Order: sequence, then structure tokens, then C-alpha cells
Amino acid sequence: DAGITQSPRHKVTETGTPVTLRCHQTENHRYMYWYRQDPGHGLRLIHYSYGVKDTDKGEVSDGYSVSRSKTEDFLLTLESATSSQTSVYFCAINQGRNREAFFGQGTRLTVV
Amino acid sequence: EDKVVQSPLSLVVHEGDTVTLNCSYEVTNFRSLLWYKQEKKAPTFLFMLTSSGIEKKSGRLSSILDKKELFSILNITATQTGDSAVYLCAFDTGTASKLTFGTGTRLQVTL
Repeated sequence: DAGITQSPRHKVTETGTPVTLRCHQTENHRYMYWYRQDPGHGLRLIHYSYGVKDTDKGEVSDGYSVSRSKTEDFLLTLESATSSQTSVYFCAINQGRNREAFFGQGTRLTVV
Repeated sequence: EDKVVQSPLSLVVHEGDTVTLNCSYEVTNFRSLLWYKQEKKAPTFLFMLTSSGIEKKSGRLSSILDKKELFSILNITATQTGDSAVYLCAFDTGTASKLTFGTGTRLQVTL
């Protein structure tokens, strides 16, 4: 399996503060994704990247920005965190025989 | 708008029972359907189905896709407590392999 590491694993932050979550992969995968998971909604795509400096919006991109300055790192930034952004955030890459999505361990973010 | 509906939302069974989980969909473009198992942490991949009528099997788990009727089922036979998890289905619509997920079925297997 590809190495994929999310940091931090847990974070509590105050409303209005900026927050950056990091996803790091070790096997040079082209595509990287950020999803959020909330009760009653399943996983929803926030943003994705198809190469260095190439990113696009997903289903729930409002309030989020991303950057990918090197292949291995995909950053998700909440410019001004709100309570509605309290969630579990998963980073994913495509790997395996079927190119299926493989997920990082998740970041639990609480905005108070 | 793409839509994925899973049923039931939750299910409690006894160890040894057989369960069938359902996933129905309306998507504008279809490339593949994926099933994931999620325990306390990240979803883990179970199956990918791309063609109608072909069953995928892995031990006690199996899945089939019906592209005409727009649904998929995941069967688990001889359930064990370790099968307790949320089961997610997702669709890859082919554009950058983005996935659209259902809300999941929470399965609890009791002794």
C-alpha cells in the first residue's frame, strides 16, 4: 500500500482562525483528493488535484482552498474556520490494480 | 445531480446470519461502483464492479451490479462480529476518478 500520512490527526480550533491540514504521500501518485465525512452525508469531495499546481473544486468547496506545490504534498486550508467545518477530513489517492481510492487515517477537526 | 442511496441505514443481526446491503444510484456518467468497509478509521476497499451481472467474491463477501436496474448489492454470509462496520458504496463517474458516496449502512453483528 502507498504511504499516505495526514497531519495533524486531531485538532481543536476557534471560530475565525485559519487551519491547514496536510496530506503527504510517498509514491508519486498524480491524483490526490480531500473528502469530508459528516453524519448523514457520507463522504463528500472538497477539492482534488491532478498534478503539481493543478487543482479543482469538488462538491463542497466553499470555505476551503488547496495547494499542491510538490507531488507528495496536498494541503487543505480553511481560511477562517466555522463551526460547520467541524468534521473528519480524509485525504485519498488512487492506487492498486483497479486504481481504487486509498484513504489516509483522517483528521478530526473541531471548530469551537 | 448524481444520487446514491443505500439501504437499510442500519442493521443488527446475530452472528452466523446472512445480510444483504443495497445501493441504488442515479448518476449521469458511470465508470465503476466501489464498496468500502469503514470501522473506526479510514474506509478500506472491498470491491470494484464495472460490468453488469458479474459477481465479485472475497471469502464470505460478494457483490453484484445491475446496470439496467441501477443498483448493487453486497452480501455477507455467516456474519461474524468483526463484520460490524459501516459499509459504503461509491460511484466513479470517470472524471478524474472522483467518487460520489452513499451515506452508508451501519451493520452490527451480535453474539
